[in-house]
Amino acid sequence: QKEVEQDPGPLSVPEGAIVSLNCTYSNSAFQYFMWYRQYSRKGPELLMYTYSSGNKEDGRFTAQVDKSSKYISLFIRDSQPSDSATYLCAMNTNAGKSTFGDGTTLTVKP
Amino acid sequence: GAVVSQHPSWVICKSGTSVKIECRSLDFQATTMFWYRQFPKQSLMLMATSNEGSKATYEQGVEKDKFLINHASLTLSTLTVTSAHPEDSSFYICSARDALGGANVLTFGAGSRLTVL
Repeated sequence: QKEVEQDPGPLSVPEGAIVSLNCTYSNSAFQYFMWYRQYSRKGPELLMYTYSSGNKEDGRFTAQVDKSSKYISLFIRDSQPSDSATYLCAMNTNAGKSTFGDGTTLTVKP
Repeated sequence: GAVVSQHPSWVICKSGTSVKIECRSLDFQATTMFWYRQFPKQSLMLMATSNEGSKATYEQGVEKDKFLINHASLTLSTLTVTSAHPEDSSFYICSARDALGGANVLTFGAGSRLTVL
């Protein structure tokens, strides 16, 4: 079993929809939880990170971490065609290397 | 914010030649950098952890003599694909963590696409 499982997708939504991207994990030592966005043929770009549990909001993006359920989510409000990309969740302990989900490909249709 | 520069972004080479890819942290020091390989529509595969001033740590199944890593300074790590073959064609990405920053998160380079003819 993988340490990090990400909803595989692909996901296709109309412009303006609310998107929910999710990952579960098994290592209770994870403390940092990140979401990266990767456009085709580009390196991943850090969108948001959360330390420990809680919510974090940045514009149209909201990251949630529920450590009791070992479940993290990224919500995108008012989705735009420019949000079309692959989204990767990642997490690590305080000192360890990051563990990534396999990614969810999102397409937002105009 | 932290910026990681990767060069070259695209390289084509003949089979049997060696190719060097550079990864630089532009505005922070990175004692540790990571090298990944990514095939189309697949996730990142960690190849090795590059440690400044010491030997790299390779993941299981990655040939250390094939993929030479040098981390000579706090801002530069290089990956050399030696005697490249067509099966080495892939997207190679580096990442770095700010050694002095507060957040334990990675910043990625833009990636280097290697095509071996």
